[in-house]
Amino acid sequence: AQKVTQAQTEISVVEKEDVTLDCVYETRDTTYYLFWYKQPPSGELVFLIRRNSFDEQNEISGRYSWNFQKSTSSFNFTITASQVVDSAVYFCALSEATDSGGYQKVTFGIGTKLQVIP
Amino acid sequence: EAQVTQNPRYLITVTGKKLTVTCSQNMNHEYMSWYRQDPGLGLRQIYYSMNVEVTDKGDVPEGYKVSRKEKRNFPLILESPSPNQTSLYFCASSPRAAIGGTIYFGEGSWLTVV
Repeated sequence: AQKVTQAQTEISVVEKEDVTLDCVYETRDTTYYLFWYKQPPSGELVFLIRRNSFDEQNEISGRYSWNFQKSTSSFNFTITASQVVDSAVYFCALSEATDSGGYQKVTFGIGTKLQVIP
Repeated sequence: EAQVTQNPRYLITVTGKKLTVTCSQNMNHEYMSWYRQDPGLGLRQIYYSMNVEVTDKGDVPEGYKVSRKEKRNFPLILESPSPNQTSLYFCASSPRAAIGGTIYFGEGSWLTVV
């Protein structure tokens, strides 16, 4: 089973529509972190947010918001009033401790490609 | 400027010809890692390093070697590249080796093995 599942491989929306990118994770740890990264067409990976497992408060940053629900093991990402510049691949990632030594192991989902059509 | 720098950015090479992709970070980060990105598979970890002289395998280490002789550098070595190693490679670093450290990525290296 995948540790991080992004079931939507590609999404297309018309500009100004809201869009939610789903992320479901799997872990046996009680302490873990979740991330979202953006990969625009230029290819670099841009950090968007980090959330630890003890903080279920939703977060909003401008047009971006994140909904973390431990009960469903989900960390979904919503873009409000989407813009063409939001077109990118978005990755969700899970940081857990390794079995040996407690160092961090980060597992990424396969990504969701978002296309915002003008 | 805080950054992770990897070179070369683009490379076409032939099967079996040893190559090294360098990675350097100027943030004094403990943790460094290499990922490869392939269509439909997302980012998969190749190797990671918790500190100088401490490295461990990620999910897809076969065909790769790494070393961490200095804190800032973490080169990825392909001793005998094969076409299935054609991919986009990312070096990354994080302030701490413990969980939760934000991962900062280099700009990526496009590698083609023919």
